[in-house]
Amino acid sequence: AQSVAQPEDQVKVAEGNPLTVKCTYSVSGNPYLFWYVQYPNRGLQFLLKYITGDNLVKGSYGFEAEFNKSQTSFHLKKPSALVSDSALYFCAVSASGGSYIPTFGRGTSLIVHP
Amino acid sequence: EPEVTQTPSHQVTQMGQEVILRCVPISNHLYFYWYRQILGQKVEFLVSFYNNEISEKSEIFDDQFSVERPDGSNFTLKIRSTKLEDSAMYFCASERARGELFFGEGSRLTVL
Repeated sequence: AQSVAQPEDQVKVAEGNPLTVKCTYSVSGNPYLFWYVQYPNRGLQFLLKYITGDNLVKGSYGFEAEFNKSQTSFHLKKPSALVSDSALYFCAVSASGGSYIPTFGRGTSLIVHP
Repeated sequence: EPEVTQTPSHQVTQMGQEVILRCVPISNHLYFYWYRQILGQKVEFLVSFYNNEISEKSEIFDDQFSVERPDGSNFTLKIRSTKLEDSAMYFCASERARGELFFGEGSRLTVL
């Protein structure tokens, strides 16, 4: 079975500082990895994905994520956080040879303070 | 930009009542999903739908749940006899490409 772990329930950073939201995964076969963001009382919005190729993928709103196969990680990063980045972030995984259904992590609440 | 729309935004029902949640996915998408989220926590997969039939479902999606796409546009989730633990936010999503899901705003179900 595929799964995702987001070890931090909450991440707090100051505006202008770099941010990292952590994600590790478990899957049989090659992973397809995704990040989504959820603002209060809204649906999830797709940010970025890794399928194959360059380990560093760039997505919406200046976010990027780095795929590390040896550490089975896909951490979300942004060089300079904005207060408006405050939201709930979900990592998701599906498998190239198995279930294509994205399995989501529990989410990490990102708080960016002025 | 096209979007997924869901109705109602909030429904309150008594335990044991039937509930139908409606979704209009993005028209040129082929895969559709229902997920649910309890108290802003984990997003749980319920069911996926392709070519007018269920393609995959989770353990949560038991006999009390059903999905339909009756007219080629609306995509509905029916809960036949609601239980207290069905209280959640239900999200419909349609898929543009592998794993790129477009989610609706959700339907909040409160079972009393």
